[in-house]
Parts: sequence; C-alpha cells; structure tokens
Amino acid sequence: QKEVEQDPGPLSVPEGAIVSLNCTYSNSAFQYFMWYRQYSRKGPELLMYTYSSGNKEDGRFTAQVDKSSKYISLFIRDSQPSDSATYLCAMRVTSGTYKYIFGTGTRLKVLA
Amino acid sequence: ETGVTQSPTHLIKTRGQQVTLRCSSQSGHNTVSWYQQALGQGPQFIFQYYREEENGRGNFPPRFSGLQFPNYSSELNVNALELDDSALYLCASSWDSNQPQHFGDGTRLSIL
Repeated sequence: QKEVEQDPGPLSVPEGAIVSLNCTYSNSAFQYFMWYRQYSRKGPELLMYTYSSGNKEDGRFTAQVDKSSKYISLFIRDSQPSDSATYLCAMRVTSGTYKYIFGTGTRLKVLA
Repeated sequence: ETGVTQSPTHLIKTRGQQVTLRCSSQSGHNTVSWYQQALGQGPQFIFQYYREEENGRGNFPPRFSGLQFPNYSSELNVNALELDDSALYLCASSWDSNQPQHFGDGTRLSIL
C-alpha cells in the first residue's frame, strides 16, 4: 500500500464549477500537508501549505485537513480554464529527513 | 517565480554514460532536495542537503550522488545511466525545515 493515495483522474469540469481534489494517507506521522499545481513541462508550484487540521483559505483555493481520517482535500471555487493542470498533494513528518511524499497527481481539465 | 533555476532544461544521454544536473537556489535557502519524476507519477525523493551535507536519502542506489555549494548551487550526478533513469529531475529548496519547498522547472533526462 502506498503511503499517499491520490486518484490520477483525469477530471473534467465546466468553467465555474467547484472542484474537489483529495488524498488519503496511511502514516499518522505526517503533520505537514501541501498542495502543488504542475503545468505541463513545468515544475510543481506551491498552492497551499498547512500544518493543522481544519480549513485554510487563499483566494479561490481552500485546503482541508482531517488528521483523524487521514484525508486531505483541495477545493477550487469558480474554476477557470487556466486551472487546467496536474494537482499534487504532498506531505511530510515533523522531524528527521525533510522528505516530501507525493501523491501521483490528479489531472484536471476545466472546459470553457 | 520561485528563485530556483535548473540547467540544462533537456538532456539526451545513452546507457552507461554519466550526467551532472545543476540547480541554483535562492540566496539563503540552506536546504536543497532532489526528486525524480517519472511520466504520470508524483516526484520521488532522491536526497536532501543541508548546509553542504547530505542529511537524508530516499530509495535510490549510490550511483545517484550530489553536492551542495556555499553559493546555494547544487548538483545531482548519476553514473552508469540506465533506461529507467529517463525522467524529469526536480530541485527544490527552502530557508529551513519549517518552510515549504519551492521547485525549479526541472531537467528532462532522456536515456537512449
């Protein structure tokens, strides 16, 4: 079983829709959670970074962490065609090697 | 703009050759990590350097090695290249372990 599971998609939605992206994990030692966006032929771009359970909002993006269920989500409101990309969740433990464990990424396509 | 630049952007090598990939981090970023990203997968952690010393390694053989320099640049060296080494190699850096990593756009390595 992988430490981090993420549905690879692809996920197609109409412009303006609310998008929900999710990851589950098995290692309870994970305490930091990140969401990255990756466009084709580019490196991952940090979208959200959170430590605690609950919600964190930044513009159209909301990150949600539920440590009791080992489940994290990223919500995108009013999705735009420019949001079409691969979304990667990443997580790490609080101490020791500064190693990120990534999900496989979910491909999102927002249709105009 | 993440302040992390990688060179070259694309490289073609043949089996058995050696390759050096380079990364330049933002001034003050003491931590640098290297990742391998195969097509359709999330990045896989190779190793991490903190102030010029390796302080963490993923499940990669010793033919993957690295260096970090005082000027915030770093290298990834791969010896005896294999076909499976074809991937996008990403460099990521941060101020310290409590800050999220920021990625460059990677070097795409193709092994023939």
